[in-house]
Amino acid sequence: GESVGLHLPTLSVQEGDNSIINCAYSNSASDYFIWYKQESGKGPQFIIDIRSNMDKRQGQRVTVLLNKTVKHLSLQIAATQPGDSAVYFCAVDHGKLTFGTGTRLQVTL
Amino acid sequence: ETGVTQSPTHLIKTRGQQVTLRCSSQSGHNTVSWYQQALGQGPQFIFQYYREEENGRGNFPPRFSGLQFPNYSSELNVNALELDDSALYLCASSLDRKNIQYFGAGTRLSVL
Repeated sequence: GESVGLHLPTLSVQEGDNSIINCAYSNSASDYFIWYKQESGKGPQFIIDIRSNMDKRQGQRVTVLLNKTVKHLSLQIAATQPGDSAVYFCAVDHGKLTFGTGTRLQVTL
Repeated sequence: ETGVTQSPTHLIKTRGQQVTLRCSSQSGHNTVSWYQQALGQGPQFIFQYYREEENGRGNFPPRFSGLQFPNYSSELNVNALELDDSALYLCASSLDRKNIQYFGAGTRLSVL
């Protein structure tokens, strides 16, 4: 099976700083990864995805990095804003999603 | 907004009862997946329906069952409710079985 772990349960950053959230997965055959953001009282919201044939993908203010050698991926958020406060999950997609336990991002003013 | 709607938003049941949760998928999506999210945890996969057929199941007992209708909406049924079934139940729809899954806001189930 697959297990997914996040390195920090909570991350506190100042508004305007960059945030980096890390994630590790166990199955070297995994080939599709997704980051979700979950705000209080809401369902997970798709942020960005990456397939194993890439090592970097950029979106609006977000970048995902994939290191297949060490089975690690990270989500970078540039110029973090108060609206970025949420729980962030990485998920491995095998048709079904296997989620980690999440990192709570707290943005301080 | 993802276009995935779930009902009801909150539900309180007692142990031993049965419950049905509903999900309307995003327009054009033929695949629906259900997840259980306990407090402070990541969502856990229950099962997936693709074109009205079950297409994969997680580590949940048979008292968790589902259905997908011709319009691709779906139901999750849970029989003989237990206290540990208290959780947020999430529905996600996707264009196909291996495409991005978009989540609804969930149904919060409390079992007393």
